[in-house]
Amino acid sequence: GAVVSQHPSWVICKSGTSVKIECRSLDFQATTMFWYRQFPKQSLMLMATSNEGSKATYEQGVEKDKFLINHASLTLSTLTVTSAHPEDSSFYICSADNDGPFYGYTFGSGTRLTVV
Amino acid sequence: QKEVEQNSGPLSVPEGAIASLNCTYSDRVSQSFFWYRQYSGKSPELIMSIYSNGDKEDGRFTAQLNKASQYVSLLIRDSQPSDSATYLCAVNQGGKLIFGQGTELSVKP
Repeated sequence: GAVVSQHPSWVICKSGTSVKIECRSLDFQATTMFWYRQFPKQSLMLMATSNEGSKATYEQGVEKDKFLINHASLTLSTLTVTSAHPEDSSFYICSADNDGPFYGYTFGSGTRLTVV
Repeated sequence: QKEVEQNSGPLSVPEGAIASLNCTYSDRVSQSFFWYRQYSGKSPELIMSIYSNGDKEDGRFTAQLNKASQYVSLLIRDSQPSDSATYLCAVNQGGKLIFGQGTELSVKP
């Protein structure tokens, strides 16, 4: 089955610094990947759709200058949280699938970001 | 109105019982529906998908879809303590998966 790898699993950073999270499709090519954020005891909220070779599409209310998404190849998408603040502390999860949206998506293992 | 709504729970059932999880959605054109299981601190894993009205069974899990009522449900038979997790309903809307808030299930030994 499709495997999506996400790195790092957890990261602690100081307020004001930037953090990059990588999402890789290991055994398939993904023209589209998705980035979600999940706060404790809440559901997954879609942040943006990452498209290979083009600009990401952000959901309403998500700051595109703060959450930079780059999908430079068919197997790698990155999310950079710029000038992180404690309120950005969350569980960030990427997803992708080679079977198309009709059949659901496989999720990466997630990244726990803590900003101190 | 939220796009995808679930009973937040927590839902507690004894071991061996049937757990029933419900979900409603607002977008009538949605064509595919999913149930994910999420353990604490982990990412979601797909357990069931359903596309047509009616029931779909896979082992101890049965998904039910009623497009006219915009309703999706998940039944877990012979519930086990290992089934204790948060169950997320997701709906494909224009190629994007939109999630409900999740239902926390606790199966007591």
